[in-house]
Amino acid sequence: GAVVSQHPSWVICKSGTSVKIECRSLDFQATTMFWYRQFPKQSLMLMATSNEGSKATYEQGVEKDKFLINHASLTLSTLTVTSAHPEDSSFYICSARAPRGTYEQYFGPGTRLTVT
Amino acid sequence: RKEVEQDPGPFNVPEGATVAFNCTYSNSASQSFFWYRQDCRKEPKLLMSVYSSGNEDGRFTAQLNRASQYISLLIRDSKLSDSATYLCVVNGVTGGGNKLTFGTGTQLKVEL
Repeated sequence: GAVVSQHPSWVICKSGTSVKIECRSLDFQATTMFWYRQFPKQSLMLMATSNEGSKATYEQGVEKDKFLINHASLTLSTLTVTSAHPEDSSFYICSARAPRGTYEQYFGPGTRLTVT
Repeated sequence: RKEVEQDPGPFNVPEGATVAFNCTYSNSASQSFFWYRQDCRKEPKLLMSVYSSGNEDGRFTAQLNRASQYISLLIRDSKLSDSATYLCVVNGVTGGGNKLTFGTGTQLKVEL
């Protein structure tokens, strides 16, 4: 099946620094990728939809200037958490829409971000 | 009201038991429905899609009731390896139909 990779797996950074997370579709082209965030014991919450070659679409309440998304190629989307704060500590997961044109999404393994 | 609601559990069942989870969704225009499985500190993985006619995959059976707007998942002969959180997922009608809305998940613990 389709594979989505995500790097890094986990990162610990200091408050005020910026962190970049990469999401790659390994064996298919993904014109649309998604970024989710999951806090402990909560459901996945969609942050933004990343479209190759155009601006990302952010969900209500998500600061686009804080969470920078770049989808420069058909296989790579990046999420940069700028000026990270402890409340940004979370599990960030990307996904790519299935190439068959269904609504299924393939998820990356996630990145656990801890901001100290 | 949440868009997708699930009983969080946990449901503790003995190995070999049959267990069922339900999920309700609020948007009657939703088009696609899924059950995902999520292990602790891991990403969600698609377990099965849910079709109007109901569908079965081995020990797993999913059913959809559009009139009542609920989805069910039945697990027969449960195994220790079935212990996980089961996420009910509904495809939304915003964002070009691409948006998946996740329930908070139902935690299953299968015990010896």
